[in-house]
Amino acid sequence: NAGVTQTPKFQVLKTGQSMTLQCAQDMNHNSMYWYRQDPGMGLRLIYYSASEGTTDKGEVPNGYNVSRLNKREFSLRLESAAPSQTSVYFCASSATTGEPQHFGDGTRLSIL
Amino acid sequence: KQEVTQIPAALSVPEGENLVLNCSFTDSAIYNLQWFRQDPGKGLTSLLLIQSSQREQTSGRLNASLDKSSGRSTLYIAASQPGDSATYLCAVRDLGYSTLTFGKGTMLLVSP
Repeated sequence: NAGVTQTPKFQVLKTGQSMTLQCAQDMNHNSMYWYRQDPGMGLRLIYYSASEGTTDKGEVPNGYNVSRLNKREFSLRLESAAPSQTSVYFCASSATTGEPQHFGDGTRLSIL
Repeated sequence: KQEVTQIPAALSVPEGENLVLNCSFTDSAIYNLQWFRQDPGKGLTSLLLIQSSQREQTSGRLNASLDKSSGRSTLYIAASQPGDSATYLCAVRDLGYSTLTFGKGTMLLVSP
């Protein structure tokens, strides 16, 4: 009963490096989301995909790109990492955008 | 822009107490409101979802109420237990939007 799986769980990058955060869900959900969580800022939406084949910007999309690879998978890419992108990244999914969201355990990303 | 505020930011109670967590939002034109729980180092777990047409939802020892006109929701936890220690977040979905706006959470500590 995996739910939402995020990889990797931890990552350290140097400024300017690129990387892709992976997310997969096994609940046959249509909608998927990427958030970042920072102390004092709460949870903020980066991008979301309401259904397979669509993606939309959230509150803080700058510096990120996403790909909805198929119904199960939604990846987040940092093309040129910056220290300001040090954060905990959460992926979530829901049956539709109006249904409860189910979260993964997060990726803890540090950029030096 | 919707703003969600949670008071208090932190709460410490002895085991067995009944307690209330508060959530307020600035725009009453909402579609639904969700309460989540987050354990340290983990993702969010959905506890209760209240549709805008509902007044309350119950799950076990948890009861969430919604007063849309005043922009308030409360999460009532009966007979608190040490296992209830976690951060509780509320999130609002606005009418016409597909995404959630989160509060910054209330960190709850229940002491044995």
